[in-house]
Amino acid sequence: AQTVTQSQPEMSVQEAETVTLSCTYDTSESDYYLFWYKQPPSRQMILVIRQEAYKQQNATENRFSVNFQKAAKSFSLKISDSQLGDAAMYFCATYRGQLTFGSGTQLTVLP
Amino acid sequence: GAVVSQHPSWVICKSGTSVKIECRSLDFQATTMFWYRQFPKQSLMLMATSNEGSKATYEQGVEKDKFLINHASLTLSTLTVTSAHPEDSSFYICSATLNTQSEAFFGQGTRLTVV
Repeated sequence: AQTVTQSQPEMSVQEAETVTLSCTYDTSESDYYLFWYKQPPSRQMILVIRQEAYKQQNATENRFSVNFQKAAKSFSLKISDSQLGDAAMYFCATYRGQLTFGSGTQLTVLP
Repeated sequence: GAVVSQHPSWVICKSGTSVKIECRSLDFQATTMFWYRQFPKQSLMLMATSNEGSKATYEQGVEKDKFLINHASLTLSTLTVTSAHPEDSSFYICSATLNTQSEAFFGQGTRLTVV
């Protein structure tokens, strides 16, 4: 079984600043995927970034990047140049046939 | 990315009636579809996994007779909440995957209110 832990229920960041959301996980699998999803007030789940566990290079998507530490089972998300539209609930998830979600981090962006 | 359409977006029904929610993959064939339930300010809780042409696999604690799942084709899965009660009121979300290596694509969700 896989478990995902997000220890920050709420975070806030000033517009244009950088924020890092934490995520740790536990799995006995050697081959799996990691995701960060964003859920804005509309509640539509939006994929932010994806990381294959066998890849050592950290994934990057524009202002979003991850710090993937496989040995430590850590998968944090960094949002640079934060924008008001980044305000949402962020879920970390592992994927091995099915998604296992963390409890989420509510991100507030302050103007 | 691929598109998953979920219908209806919201529904209000009377206690004791049944409600059907549809989940369609519009531009790909989904080998597997997933149904989640989400309470306010909480994470997504997996209810069941369905594969086309076979019976759904329900998570522990989910009543299979109350939440009927049918995955009749590679592009359509339905969730029927039978004999709905107010405690079934929630946000239901489906997702679909092309294969075990692909990401999951989510529908827009359905807000069910049972009165």
